[in-house]
Amino acid sequence: AQKITQTQPGMFVQEKEAVTLDCTYDTSDPSYGLFWYKQPSSGEMIFLIYQGSYDQQNATEGRYSLNFQKARKSANLVISASQLGDSAMYFCAMREGSGGSYIPTFGRGTSLIVHP
Amino acid sequence: DADVTQTPRNRITKTGKRIMLECSQTKGHDRMYWYRQDPGLGLRLIYYSFDVKDINKGEISDGYSVSRQAQAKFSLSLESAIPNQTALYFCATSDMGGAPYEQYFGPGTRLTVT
Repeated sequence: AQKITQTQPGMFVQEKEAVTLDCTYDTSDPSYGLFWYKQPSSGEMIFLIYQGSYDQQNATEGRYSLNFQKARKSANLVISASQLGDSAMYFCAMREGSGGSYIPTFGRGTSLIVHP
Repeated sequence: DADVTQTPRNRITKTGKRIMLECSQTKGHDRMYWYRQDPGLGLRLIYYSFDVKDINKGEISDGYSVSRQAQAKFSLSLESAIPNQTALYFCATSDMGGAPYEQYFGPGTRLTVT
């Protein structure tokens, strides 16, 4: 079974609108962390945002926020006020366990296209 | 200068050839990883190393080997390349100093096996 599931292979959004990219995860470990990475067409992987399983507040980084619903095991990425430069692949990832001894698992990604 | 570098950036090779992909980092991180990316499959872990003396197989290690020559260098070898190893390969590092333990990726090596 996949530990990270991204059910949207592709998403389209109009410039300046908000968009939500879905991510569900599966773990029995009480301590885990969730990440989102962006991969533009140039290919590099860019870390966007992190949510720890014990964090009480949803993580935010500028226009990015993570809608963390622990009971539903979902960690959706919300991009507000989309820009053309947001067009990219987006990957959700999870680490299990505390400390740095973990092996991250990635989802299959969602391709986001922002229309002008 | 980039913190995580990969050489070569692009490589075309023939079936059966041995090829080495190299990764160097200046971040001072102990942990290094090799992934391959295939369209629609995301990133899959090939090998990882938590320090110079520690090498571990990942999800898809068959057909690959690695060498951790120093804290800063982690090489991936394809002993006898086959066409289904055509993919984008990423090296990554992470710090163990504290959360969130995010990974820092190299620019990738696009490998084509003909």
